[in-house]
Amino acid sequence: NAGVTQTPKFRVLKTGQSMTLLCAQDMNHEYMYWYRQDPGMGLRLIHYSVGEGTTAKGEVPDGYNVSRLKKQNFLLGLESAAPSQTSVYFCASSSPGQGYEQFFGPGTRLTVL
Amino acid sequence: AQRVTQPEKLLSVFKGAPVELKCNYSYSGSPELFWYVQYSRQRLQLLLRHISRESIKGFTADLNKGETSFHLKKPFAQEEDSAMYYCALRRSGNQFYFGTGTSLTVIP
Repeated sequence: NAGVTQTPKFRVLKTGQSMTLLCAQDMNHEYMYWYRQDPGMGLRLIHYSVGEGTTAKGEVPDGYNVSRLKKQNFLLGLESAAPSQTSVYFCASSSPGQGYEQFFGPGTRLTVL
Repeated sequence: AQRVTQPEKLLSVFKGAPVELKCNYSYSGSPELFWYVQYSRQRLQLLLRHISRESIKGFTADLNKGETSFHLKKPFAQEEDSAMYYCALRRSGNQFYFGTGTSLTVIP
């Protein structure tokens, strides 16, 4: 099993460009999450999903959109990137059957110039 | 507001010394707390959760509702314990809050 995978691993954008980060999990988990990790700020929840077709806002949702069309995939979109969105993005998934333990992806390092 | 506080950004201890990583939380409901660890060049992974009341790699953490704390402890630190540690709180609705993390360095 690959667990949680993220695509791409690195990306550099110019201000105003758009992009989509893809998260995929092969553990049949119900819940999926997108976090951003910034120095001194820890991990902050952007959006999350408790099931296919559902999404909810987290702590820092502004400037991001998400979709969960398939249970195994959770997409994070940036419509108009800003330098403040330079960060490392982590995806995670979990299941009640595993005590809500979050399984994390390897991260995507995004730089917005 | 639900929040998790880790007051120490950096913590250094000598090998064999006891180590305690502090975590305090504020939550109006019944908390479910976790410790996650990120070793160098590895993914963030679960270390332990308060519900399990288990010891993992010699680490333990006790939930103290009176002091709203969930400190992580180990009696004898090892070099391989050097990592970034995050305390996390799960609230109802499955939203998670993470602390800002503590970078632990164990000096040989």
